[in-house]
Amino acid sequence: QSVLTQPPSVSGAPGQRVTISCTGSSSNIGAGYNVYWYQQLPGTAPKFLISGNSDRPSGVPDRFSGSKSGTSASLAITGLQAEDEADYYCQSYDISLSLWVFGGGTKVTVL
Amino acid sequence: EVQLVESGGGLVQPGGSLRLSCAASGFTFSNYWMHWVRQAPGKGLVWVSRVQSDGSATRYADSVKGRFTISRDNAKNTLYLQMNSLRAEDTAVYFCARVIAASGTGGYFDYWGQGTLVTVSS
Repeated sequence: QSVLTQPPSVSGAPGQRVTISCTGSSSNIGAGYNVYWYQQLPGTAPKFLISGNSDRPSGVPDRFSGSKSGTSASLAITGLQAEDEADYYCQSYDISLSLWVFGGGTKVTVL
Repeated sequence: EVQLVESGGGLVQPGGSLRLSCAASGFTFSNYWMHWVRQAPGKGLVWVSRVQSDGSATRYADSVKGRFTISRDNAKNTLYLQMNSLRAEDTAVYFCARVIAASGTGGYFDYWGQGTLVTVSS
């Protein structure tokens, strides 16, 4: 049972927009800790993708955007491409547990 | 170029020990807090442990506290995870990761190693 809750899967056709939610609580996202998103392609290590306020490292397309409100956050992928098919994880910090927490992951399928 | 390369994984019997290493290059290792994160087969990411940049402070997930020890050798640019009393549920790919954080809490993992597989089985 992950501290942060994500849907197990989302899917969309090429070119469509998909969103992935990440629901936390008052001891993590709601406590003001930022949310970060990672992309994990099959058989590879996670890669930092974007933060909750849409700060992206160089090389990450602007098709990816992040937002945060209250105790939740979202990752949006616009103009979905075949190369976006991967697992996506949200991450934050939990002040009550005193540890770094991840969502359970969301598999994005491009139809 | 920042690189993190793990090694030391393998097959070990329940109750056994393993020591993982993570060799860092391409950045000033001694300036960064470092973490271990694991991923059981087909499962999600789980945070394991953290060590302060100078090695003076550590923290562990409850599931490994008292069994795992994180350490670092800044002269060798290497992070370690000593794993004792291993259990079947410790079977996972173990990733080392560099954290970007303003303090000892929070932050994100900007670079990850490729991971090393630990299998605990008789």
